[in-house]
Amino acid sequence: SAVISQKPSRDICQRGTSLTIQCQVDSQVTMMFWYRQQPGQSLTLIATANQGSEATYESGFVIDKFPISRPNLTFSTLTVSNMSPEDSSIYLCSGAEGTNTEAFFGQGTRLTVV
Amino acid sequence: DQQVKQNSPSLSVQEGRISILNCDYTNSMFDYFLWYKKYPAEGPTFLISISSIKDKNEDGRFTVFLNKSAKHLSLHIVPSQPGDSAVYFCAASAGFSARQLTFGSGTQLTVLP
Repeated sequence: SAVISQKPSRDICQRGTSLTIQCQVDSQVTMMFWYRQQPGQSLTLIATANQGSEATYESGFVIDKFPISRPNLTFSTLTVSNMSPEDSSIYLCSGAEGTNTEAFFGQGTRLTVV
Repeated sequence: DQQVKQNSPSLSVQEGRISILNCDYTNSMFDYFLWYKKYPAEGPTFLISISSIKDKNEDGRFTVFLNKSAKHLSLHIVPSQPGDSAVYFCAASAGFSARQLTFGSGTQLTVLP
């Protein structure tokens, strides 16, 4: 399957600031997704990143807090805005190459907000 | 409301023995189930999947069983190897889509040499 490069791998940020996470796929993929894994919890889908249009957010997640871009079929960004300590999590992007193929993941970004 | 549950946060098994990881789900719309393996500081990697039209899928040492009436699936690893030590996530989706996934909380498998 394709490979996703995600950066940064980790960061420590001050509350009230914003962080943009980037994901680059080494080939075109049909769909890209963003997940969050809070400490001790499972992965939760934040949104589907749609190429050339607004992302589709899951319940509990809003665009103002987690703006997402997907300018083409190989790249997406997630911004965590106006951060608070509750945003401390691992953020992961994933992609899927076709209709019936399994999603693959980037290595994740470990975010700590102080 | 956890739609996918992994009730065992950890499991220890002796090398060469069978590892059985369990997963329960509540959403009847789920029709595609996957297992992912995750090492520290890495993203989850796909391991094996099964659709609701089957009750078993096998890939080498890994077999997934699905019991739709009980809304239960399990992953069997035989024989277990120390390199299998990782966190295993069960995931599910609806519409036979392998992409938008609902994950369980994971089970840390430790295979003892």
